[in-house]
Amino acid sequence: NAGVTQTPKFRVLKTGQSMTLLCAQDMNHEYMYWYRQDPGMGLRLIHYSVGEGTTAKGEVPDGYNVSRLKKQNFLLGLESAAPSQTSVYFCASRWTGLQSPLHFGNGTRLTVT
Amino acid sequence: GENVEQHPSTLSVQEGDSAVIKCTYSDSASNYFPWYKQELGKGPQLIIDIRSNVGEKKDQRIAVTLNKTAKHFSLHITETQPEDSAVYFCAADPNDYKLSFGAGTTVTVRA
Repeated sequence: NAGVTQTPKFRVLKTGQSMTLLCAQDMNHEYMYWYRQDPGMGLRLIHYSVGEGTTAKGEVPDGYNVSRLKKQNFLLGLESAAPSQTSVYFCASRWTGLQSPLHFGNGTRLTVT
Repeated sequence: GENVEQHPSTLSVQEGDSAVIKCTYSDSASNYFPWYKQELGKGPQLIIDIRSNVGEKKDQRIAVTLNKTAKHFSLHITETQPEDSAVYFCAADPNDYKLSFGAGTTVTVRA
């Protein structure tokens, strides 16, 4: 039981390049989330999904797109990377019960030069 | 949306002393308040949570208190140990699928 797995762990991009961050969970959770973590700003929600085929915007969605084609996977895409997107990205999942805890992956450290 | 404020941003304590982190929230609809611990290079992990129908919850050296009237909740760590050094996040859930997090507290336990 791996929990939440994120790939890659590290990535360096040049401004304007694109990439996709992958998140997979094996807990059969309905809800999945993408957060970014920046110093002094905590965890900010980028996009989330409440089920296969559905996505919604979070607090800081600009510059990102997501897809949830399969229940266990949630993909975060950067179409044209900018230095402001340098951050640590965390994927998380939870059960359908609204008072259920989030389970996090170990993060992807992205640097955009 | 929900706004969670967390204080202090850094906390240094002597091993064996207690540590207290405080959070306030804005949305009176919030009814679930988890606390997460993040160790270096890892994702946050749930350490304790409290629901709005409970005022206090304890798990060994960790306790949380909730004051719904004042909209604040706190994490208390007693008899701190070096392994308690980490970043701690509070969060509030206003029942809209999304958790809102505080900015985090970096706790350092001095030997």
